[in-house]
Amino acid sequence: DTGVSQNPRHKITKRGQNVTFRCDPISEHNRLYWYRQTLGQGPEFLTYFQNEAQLEKSRLLSDRFSAERPKGSFSTLEIQRTEQGDSAMYLCASSLAQTSGGGFAKNIQYFGAGTRLSVL
Amino acid sequence: SQQGEEDPQALSIQEGENATMNCSYKTSINNLQWYRQNSGRGLVHLILIRSNEREKHSGRLRVTLDTSKKSSSLLITASRAADTASYFCATVATDSWGKLQFGAGTQVVVTP
Repeated sequence: DTGVSQNPRHKITKRGQNVTFRCDPISEHNRLYWYRQTLGQGPEFLTYFQNEAQLEKSRLLSDRFSAERPKGSFSTLEIQRTEQGDSAMYLCASSLAQTSGGGFAKNIQYFGAGTRLSVL
Repeated sequence: SQQGEEDPQALSIQEGENATMNCSYKTSINNLQWYRQNSGRGLVHLILIRSNEREKHSGRLRVTLDTSKKSSSLLITASRAADTASYFCATVATDSWGKLQFGAGTQVVVTP
């Protein structure tokens, strides 16, 4: 399977615990994204990397959240001192950053199946 | 926060009928994309339309874009039960090519 892989698929934790999720992108993709999705809503952008550099972070990403992509391949998203409001599906996506003619972005993102976090 | 709104929030049709959903957005965009999500799964890219394009087709999908109204529509023709899913529009802003900003989605149910 050469798609985006996320682990674990499900995580149940108690409030105050730390959790870490992993994302393995499509191997030739240089960009990796994290999104959060709550029930009945569209995904909300959290952060993205180009190779190992973290280029943008949403203000949704509080200081309890940290993401890394140390070697420009897989990425981890850690949530410290989890709160019940952190319960959501965490989605990872990857893409190959390209521009098509005329300066248009060609930013098709390929998503993993997500990690569903439940904070009790 | 969500980029915009999608209309309707839910749509129930029978196989063979067409399904139309609309998306509005707020910022200037480089392109707009539509994604599909089956229940509890990741999203799958369907189609991309550039800001200088007005209409695009892919198989049974037809997308229109009106940048003056900041709106787009997705038409699925001759729907099938397998089209049952949530459909999201997502925009790439002119000043931020890195991220997608999604709407809240339209939940489509196609009954045999």
